[in-house]
Amino acid sequence: EDKVVQSPLSLVVHEGDTVTLNCSYEVTNFRSLLWYKQEKKAPTFLFMLTSSGIEKKSGRLSSILDKKELFSILNITATQTGDSAVYLCAAPGFGNEKLTFGTGTRLTIIP
Amino acid sequence: KAGVTQTPRYLIKTRGQQVTLSCSPISGHRSVSWYQQTPGQGLQFLFEYFSETQRNKGNFPGRFSGRQFSNSRSEMNVSTLELGDSALYLCASSLGHFQETQYFGPGTRLLVL
Repeated sequence: EDKVVQSPLSLVVHEGDTVTLNCSYEVTNFRSLLWYKQEKKAPTFLFMLTSSGIEKKSGRLSSILDKKELFSILNITATQTGDSAVYLCAAPGFGNEKLTFGTGTRLTIIP
Repeated sequence: KAGVTQTPRYLIKTRGQQVTLSCSPISGHRSVSWYQQTPGQGLQFLFEYFSETQRNKGNFPGRFSGRQFSNSRSEMNVSTLELGDSALYLCASSLGHFQETQYFGPGTRLLVL
């Protein structure tokens, strides 16, 4: 069965700090790994990673995939209170019919 | 382009009743997936529809069913509701089969009393 594990489960930091969120996976026929941010309701898409070692960047957020070690990290620099959310990583299963999600990392930024 | 819409946004039902939730995907998207999110279990896959056909189903009992219409809109039905069915139900759409980027709707919060 496909498995996605995130750590830490929760993280509390001060505004301006840099954080690193971790995601490891065991997925049959791996194709990609996705990161989402969930604030109140719907998860919003952040990144899709398919190739090892190539960093994807969007403003203060960046992410990279290591297909040899089967993990990905999401970095947020100069954190702001608006970054407080649950960050989810997910991987499509065999045939891409479904996403297997990790339990998420709850990030809280203290002003 | 309008995002994924779900109706209703909130529902309160009692045990034993049934419920139907609706999802309209982003225009042009043909794949709709449904997920259940609870504090204890996180986000869990229910099923995915593409071109009116169910492509895959998660590990949920037969009380959970769905369908997709020719315009790609999808409905999910839960019969004989149980207290444990209280959850946020999310649908997500994507362009088509093998398109991994799924865009989520706001969800329907179901409370079963």
